[in-house]
Amino acid sequence: RKEVEQDPGPFNVPEGATVAFNCTYSNSASQSFFWYRQDCRKEPKLLMSVYSSGNEDGRFTAQLNRASQYISLLIRDSKLSDSATYLCVVNVYGGTSYGKLTFGQGTILTVHP
Amino acid sequence: DAGVTQSPTHLIKTRGQQVTLRCSPKSGHDTVSWYQQALGQGPQFIFQYYEEEERQRGNFPDRFSGHQFPNYSSELNVNALLLGDSALYLCASSLGVAMGETQYFGPGTRLLVL
Repeated sequence: RKEVEQDPGPFNVPEGATVAFNCTYSNSASQSFFWYRQDCRKEPKLLMSVYSSGNEDGRFTAQLNRASQYISLLIRDSKLSDSATYLCVVNVYGGTSYGKLTFGQGTILTVHP
Repeated sequence: DAGVTQSPTHLIKTRGQQVTLRCSPKSGHDTVSWYQQALGQGPQFIFQYYEEEERQRGNFPDRFSGHQFPNYSSELNVNALLLGDSALYLCASSLGVAMGETQYFGPGTRLLVL
């Protein structure tokens, strides 16, 4: 089983749609969580950290459920510029693990006019 | 403020050859991590350098080695290249690795092994 698993996608949605991505992680020692965005042939860039209380950044809302080991990202009012690959990322701290990011395989989102 | 830089941007090698990739961290950062991203996959952690030492390592063979210099820049070396080593190699830097510390990625080096 992969440490971080995401919806395979791809997601094709019209502008203005709401789209949700889901992610599960297997290591219960995971302590910090992120969503990164990766444009075609570019490097990953941090979209937002994910906190247990849930957090929002404009049109983006991230949720974390530690009991279910589940992370989600909701994008409202999709824009053409949201087209990218979204990567779910977890980080385990403690023991010999420091800042080793573990990525899901990514979900491709295409927003069309 | 310069971000993370990597060189070269692209590289073509043949099986059995050796390659060295370079990374300069974001200004003020002291920790460098290397990742391999195969086509259609998420990045996979190779190893991390801090204070010129390999601090932790992912599931990669000893053919993958690295180095960090006193100015915090880093190199990734891959020996005896295999076709399966073809990938995007990403370097990420951070100021330490405290919980929640953001890692910033460079543009990557695209390696093609023929």
